[in-house]
Amino acid sequence: NAGVTQTPKFQVLKTGQSMTLQCAQDMNHNSMYWYRQDPGMGLRLIYYSASEGTTDKGEVPNGYNVSRLNKREFSLRLESAAPSQTSVYFCASSDWPLQETQYFGPGTRLLVL
Amino acid sequence: GENVEQHPSTLSVQEGDSAVIKCTYSDSASNYFPWYKQELGKGPQLIIDIRSNVGEKKDQRIAVTLNKTAKHFSLHITETQPEDSAVYFCAASGPDSWGKLQFGAGTQVVVTP
Repeated sequence: NAGVTQTPKFQVLKTGQSMTLQCAQDMNHNSMYWYRQDPGMGLRLIYYSASEGTTDKGEVPNGYNVSRLNKREFSLRLESAAPSQTSVYFCASSDWPLQETQYFGPGTRLLVL
Repeated sequence: GENVEQHPSTLSVQEGDSAVIKCTYSDSASNYFPWYKQELGKGPQLIIDIRSNVGEKKDQRIAVTLNKTAKHFSLHITETQPEDSAVYFCAASGPDSWGKLQFGAGTQVVVTP
């Protein structure tokens, strides 16, 4: 049981480049989430997917898009990266509404130059 | 929406002493309050949670208390050990949150031998 996995672990981009962060969970969870973590600001929700086939904006969605590819996978896309998107990105999943505990992946460190 | 404030931002304690981290929340409808521990280079991991129908919950050296009237909750770690050094996050969610958590900004705990 790998839990929540994320790829890549680390990425450097130039301003304007695009990339997709991948996330997969093997716990058969309904809900998946994307957060960004910046110093002193905790974890801020970018997008979430309450169930397969649905996605909704979180607190800081601008500059991002998501795809819930199937029940296991939830990807985050940066179409035109900006230095302000330099951050650590975490994917999480939960079995909401049955259970609220969120399980986090190891994170992707993104540097935009 | 929900707003969670967490204090202090850093906490240095001697090994064996107790550590207390406090959080306040704004939405009186919030009913689920988890605490996460994040070790360096890893994703956050749930360590304890409490629901609004309970005032206190303990698990070995950690405990959480909830004051619904004052809208605050606290994490208590007794007999601290070096492995307790990490960043701790509080969070809150309510019945209409679709599983979303609102996180505090985090507390860096350093346990010195």
